[in-house]
Amino acid sequence: QVQLRESGPGLVKPSQTLSLNCSVSGGSLKSAGFYWAWIRQHPQKGLEWIGYIFSSGNIFYSNPSLKSRLDISVDTSKNQISLRLDSVTAADTAVYYCARELRRLDLSSAFGVWGQGTMVTVSS
Amino acid sequence: QSALTQPRSVSGSPGQSVTISCTGTSNDVGAYNYVSWYQQHPGRAPRIIIYDVNRRPSGVPDRFSGSKSGVTASLTISGLQTEDEGDYYCCSYAGDYSVVFGAGSKLTVL
Repeated sequence: QVQLRESGPGLVKPSQTLSLNCSVSGGSLKSAGFYWAWIRQHPQKGLEWIGYIFSSGNIFYSNPSLKSRLDISVDTSKNQISLRLDSVTAADTAVYYCARELRRLDLSSAFGVWGQGTMVTVSS
Repeated sequence: QSALTQPRSVSGSPGQSVTISCTGTSNDVGAYNYVSWYQQHPGRAPRIIIYDVNRRPSGVPDRFSGSKSGVTASLTISGLQTEDEGDYYCCSYAGDYSVVFGAGSKLTVL
């Protein structure tokens, strides 16, 4: 059973870069053939899709509202997916989740596996 | 990309049925049969309960059902149980490899 675990700094200063990792266990990221996503949840608010990346790392889609600041990558040697968000502000304060589509080779907003999430606060 | 519209709160008594609506546009809910629903308890990650409008992942009770008409999707929970209390989010594929979520509905089991 695949499991996801996010990790990150917890606190980031405004204008700096937020970097998060999602470690995948219970399966090989390289051979998975799945789309993986980052999703965030602002405090006491709803969910916001951030972006998708394919297992091979060569296909990447992002929320248009974050596109200019966002990069998502895959490190198959470490079996992890990474998120980098530049020039953060207080509006980027949220719980960040990584998730995986339910079906292989499918991009249909069916997020069947989720990590436990990691809280990121942007503050000086 | 605007969030899908959900009622802020719904409620029902144990054993009753409740329906949560999710209204989108002709660019998302109305265009694709890729609507999913997620249940979230406080302090926990969301859990998928419906995908492809009306399909249930293994392990999800058949008390949960989904449907869609036009630009509005619905989640119905029958035979309400106290453990169903929590937040529910709809989600839709929105074209151009993008996804949009609803703002969430808080279900209270009275």
